[in-house]
Amino acid sequence: DTGVSQNPRHKITKRGQNVTFRCDPISEHNRLYWYRQTLGQGPEFLTYFQNEAQLEKSRLLSDRFSAERPKGSFSTLEIQRTEQGDSAMYLCASSLGGGPSPQHFGDGTRLSIL
Amino acid sequence: QQQVKQSPQSLIVQKGGISIINCAYENTAFDYFPWYQQFPGKGPALLIAIRPDVSEKKEGRFTISFNKSAKQFSLHIMDSQPGDSATYFCAASRAAGNKLTFGGGTRVLVKP
Repeated sequence: DTGVSQNPRHKITKRGQNVTFRCDPISEHNRLYWYRQTLGQGPEFLTYFQNEAQLEKSRLLSDRFSAERPKGSFSTLEIQRTEQGDSAMYLCASSLGGGPSPQHFGDGTRLSIL
Repeated sequence: QQQVKQSPQSLIVQKGGISIINCAYENTAFDYFPWYQQFPGKGPALLIAIRPDVSEKKEGRFTISFNKSAKQFSLHIMDSQPGDSATYFCAASRAAGNKLTFGGGTRVLVKP
């Protein structure tokens, strides 16, 4: 399968713990996006990368959240000191930058905070 | 502030009927409007997209209508099938490669 891959698919953790998610984009795509989706809502933009450069961050991305994309390939999203409100589906998408290229989504990581 | 408003929140349609979902946007800088389909436990999958230089785009049973002056666009699903039962999201961005702003979603149930 050559689509966007996200791991793990599910993560259950206790409040206050740190968690890290991984996203592997479609191989030739140089843009990578993170979104958060809560139950019954549309996805909300968090941040995006062009190659290894993080170009934009949403106000939703508090200082407990950090994202990286070393070498412009896979990306990781880390949440430190998790809170109940962090429970959500975290979606990754990728696109071919530099033109009108659509975003293709992975199946997400569902985070549950106990 | 919700920049893309979607309605209805849910709809039920009989097999073979037409499903119509509407969206309205506020930001006139938006110039790319995709629709995504999402099944439970899956990520959104791109269905069809339109740019404001055309008023209608059709792909198979799916048609987008776009009204630039009213800042509204809609998705029509013709000959709805039970397999179309899913949540549909409209979205908008300033260009196809930029961040997407999503509507709140419409849960569609197609009854056999």
